[in-house]
Amino acid sequence: NAGVTQTPKFRVLKTGQSMTLLCAQDMNHEYMYWYRQDPGMGLRLIHYSVGEGTTAKGEVPDGYNVSRLKKQNFLLGLESAAPSQTSVYFCASSAWGGGYTFGSGTRLTVV
Amino acid sequence: AQTVTQSQPEMSVQEAETVTLSCTYDTSESDYYLFWYKQPPSRQMILVIRQEAYKQQNATENRFSVNFQKAAKSFSLKISDSQLGDAAMYFCAYRSHQNTGNQFYFGTGTSLTVIP
Repeated sequence: NAGVTQTPKFRVLKTGQSMTLLCAQDMNHEYMYWYRQDPGMGLRLIHYSVGEGTTAKGEVPDGYNVSRLKKQNFLLGLESAAPSQTSVYFCASSAWGGGYTFGSGTRLTVV
Repeated sequence: AQTVTQSQPEMSVQEAETVTLSCTYDTSESDYYLFWYKQPPSRQMILVIRQEAYKQQNATENRFSVNFQKAAKSFSLKISDSQLGDAAMYFCAYRSHQNTGNQFYFGTGTSLTVIP
């Protein structure tokens, strides 16, 4: 089935550890996004990409880095995880002017 | 960034009844898009309905309809004949027509409980 795939679905990290979240889409979408979802705060944009090789900061980019080396993949990295980064992370993709297709989310806990 | 406000953190409705979820937004633009997304306990985000600002007619999708009041910057979602499967978190979202990044701005969500 076409869509957006996020890996992993769950992860527990210790403070200071690093990790990469992978987002893959097979719809040939130009635009890809990383959001974090926290209770009472909705979804907040971390970083986004408008095409292969491009990235841009969103609303809450601090502590995260991203890369879009291939059009179908958008990676989110945490270099030194902090408890404040405990959250549910969503990847989404879209064509220009289109609605989002979301991945199923990654629940990350930093202890 | 545009601001999207959902002033009802929680709502409940009796099964088969009608419920309306509120959403307001702040923008100086004349052309934009509005969306309602549903997030059930599975965590998957599901598009419920979409409205283009240039269209005066309110969007409808089966039991879901919107009341779009452009001058008031209001975009409420009405769910008719509520079903147990409608229980979820609902997010209102805004997207500018001119925004080159195609970013969506989301409200904080309304948790809907359906009472049998």
